[in-house]
Amino acid sequence: NAGVTQTPKFRILKIGQSMTLQCTQDMNHNYMYWYRQDPGMGLKLIYYSVGAGITDKGEVPNGYNVSRSTTEDFPLRLELAAPSQTSVYFCASSYENRDSPLHFGNGTRLTVT
Amino acid sequence: AQSVTQLDSHVSVSEGTPVLLRCNYSSSYSPSLFWYVQHPNKGLQLLLKYTSAATLVKGINGFEAEFKKSETSFHLTKPSAHMSDAAEYFCVVRRGTTDSWGKLQFGAGTQVVVTP
Repeated sequence: NAGVTQTPKFRILKIGQSMTLQCTQDMNHNYMYWYRQDPGMGLKLIYYSVGAGITDKGEVPNGYNVSRSTTEDFPLRLELAAPSQTSVYFCASSYENRDSPLHFGNGTRLTVT
Repeated sequence: AQSVTQLDSHVSVSEGTPVLLRCNYSSSYSPSLFWYVQHPNKGLQLLLKYTSAATLVKGINGFEAEFKKSETSFHLTKPSAHMSDAAEYFCVVRRGTTDSWGKLQFGAGTQVVVTP
């Protein structure tokens, strides 16, 4: 079972460039999430989705966009990259109940210079 | 509202000695609670979860945690630390109401160092 797959693993962007971080899961989870992790800061929720066609903002959504056209995929879009978006990004998914843990991808390490 | 407080940002233990990582939470409704481990440059791996069954929960790699409602705590322990336990640990709360299952609250993390 592949679980949650994120691509790419690493990326370097110049200021103002755009890119899409890909996330796909094969567990038929309705809930999907994007987090960013900065050193010593824990994880902060960027966006989440409770099903295809439904997305909602988390704590730090500015500068990002998401879409959820299928159950499996939840891409994260950076339109105008800024140095403040240098971080490690994690995608996660879960079933839609209280007891379901999050399943995480291995992360994308993004540097904006 | 819900929140999670990990009381120690860093814990240093000697190999073979017990490990205690402290987590307090606040939640208006019966939550689910999770502990995750993150090794350097890796993703987060589930160690164990509490979901209102037994209050003492056993997880992988010899870890266990006890849910204490009266103290609103969910501390993680291991009787004997191994060098491979060096990692960052996160306590996570999921609120127990159907309108908020989507959002989870993460603690700030506890960095564990194991010395030989």
